[in-house]
Amino acid sequence: DTAVSQTPKYLVTQMGNDKSIKCEQNLGHDTMYWYKQDSKKFLKIMFSYNNKELIINETVPNRFSPKSPDKAHLNLHINSLELGDSAVYFCASSQGLAIYEQFFGPGTRLTVL
Amino acid sequence: AQKVTQAQTEISVVEKEDVTLDCVYETRDTTYYLFWYKQPPSGELVFLIRRNSFDEQNEISGRYSWNFQKSTSSFNFTITASQVVDSAVYFCALSEFQGAQKLVFGQGTRLTINP
Repeated sequence: DTAVSQTPKYLVTQMGNDKSIKCEQNLGHDTMYWYKQDSKKFLKIMFSYNNKELIINETVPNRFSPKSPDKAHLNLHINSLELGDSAVYFCASSQGLAIYEQFFGPGTRLTVL
Repeated sequence: AQKVTQAQTEISVVEKEDVTLDCVYETRDTTYYLFWYKQPPSGELVFLIRRNSFDEQNEISGRYSWNFQKSTSSFNFTITASQVVDSAVYFCALSEFQGAQKLVFGQGTRLTINP
């Protein structure tokens, strides 16, 4: 059973398009995250949700809009895609707001042409 | 601001050698957590260890060991008798609490174990 899953695994699209990445966790966690890994492998947090409420919002362009329909899901919608958005996006989850292990999804490789 | 530095960008060793990956961190918090994650060529992020700031005991798990020294703000990772399957990018991370836990990652060290 997959703990944290993301769809799609690969996403290739043209500049200017709008796309979404979905994330689901079956661990019963109440906190979920989106991280971005750039071409140099640098990982940086983008957003965090706890019980469907936005808790962390790093300096991310407002073209990126996360949505959490319930505790088990955190989706990422990106409008007007740009070349610089090409990266691997990781979803993660953890229990509570305290410092616990974060379980990561397999990642979604987004390529903007 | 929190910061994690992994000065070694790439390391290449021959199988069975021991190898140490360095991690130095900066934080003003008195309570914090440190993590190591492994990212194999398949791309997923695999949790290896979490250590809190009050526990400076070294930890050993099989061929893996971790040395945490608050005096030097370091949390180094050693692989003993390395194997080809250890080839991966390894990330050190520091937790920061901003209403929720936020992991601040180092730049990663790409470890290549040659047969």
